[in-house]
Amino acid sequence: EAQVTQNPRYLITVTGKKLTVTCSQNMNHEYMSWYRQDPGLGLRQIYYSMNVEVTDKGDVPEGYKVSRKEKRNFPLILESPSPNQTSLYFCASSPFSGSDEQYFGPGTRLTVT
Amino acid sequence: SQQGEEDPQALSIQEGENATMNCSYKTSINNLQWYRQNSGRGLVHLILIRSNEREKHSGRLRVTLDTSKKSSSLLITASRAADTASYFCATDQAGTALIFGKGTTLSVSS
Repeated sequence: EAQVTQNPRYLITVTGKKLTVTCSQNMNHEYMSWYRQDPGLGLRQIYYSMNVEVTDKGDVPEGYKVSRKEKRNFPLILESPSPNQTSLYFCASSPFSGSDEQYFGPGTRLTVT
Repeated sequence: SQQGEEDPQALSIQEGENATMNCSYKTSINNLQWYRQNSGRGLVHLILIRSNEREKHSGRLRVTLDTSKKSSSLLITASRAADTASYFCATDQAGTALIFGKGTTLSVSS
């Protein structure tokens, strides 16, 4: 089944404890991205990747890192999480670019205390 | 950088009625897309309309695009309880990202 998977789906952590949210797609898509969704603010892009080893900042990259060492994986790293990073995070992929139809993962609900 | 803005923010209708949501945007686009999100879950792509298209249909969905007014509308005909969800428009930004609006929350009651 063609899909985007994210792990974990739910995470409660404490301020400053490094964490990684994994994202994987099995559709051989070149483009992948991360969004966060907050009430009243909608979805905002954090980082995106046009291909392996090519990543770039979105609208709200502060406090996040990403890497794209393999085509299928695009992990989101929070080196020192803070409470303002409490949010619902979505990974998405598309065949070639950010203009294409996006395939979204199920979401990761992160709480930082 | 918010691009699309949906209107209304919330809409409540009865099963069988039509639901219309509108989206306005600010800058030129290559395409405009509509997505559905069931509560707290991932977004699902509904339809993509290109800037040179005026209308597009998919099942019970009808999307229009007016580039002169920088606006789009999504019509869901004969709504069902299962259509209860949030609906987002999204516009492409130079191929690097989709910019999403804040969404319209649709509630369909039986």
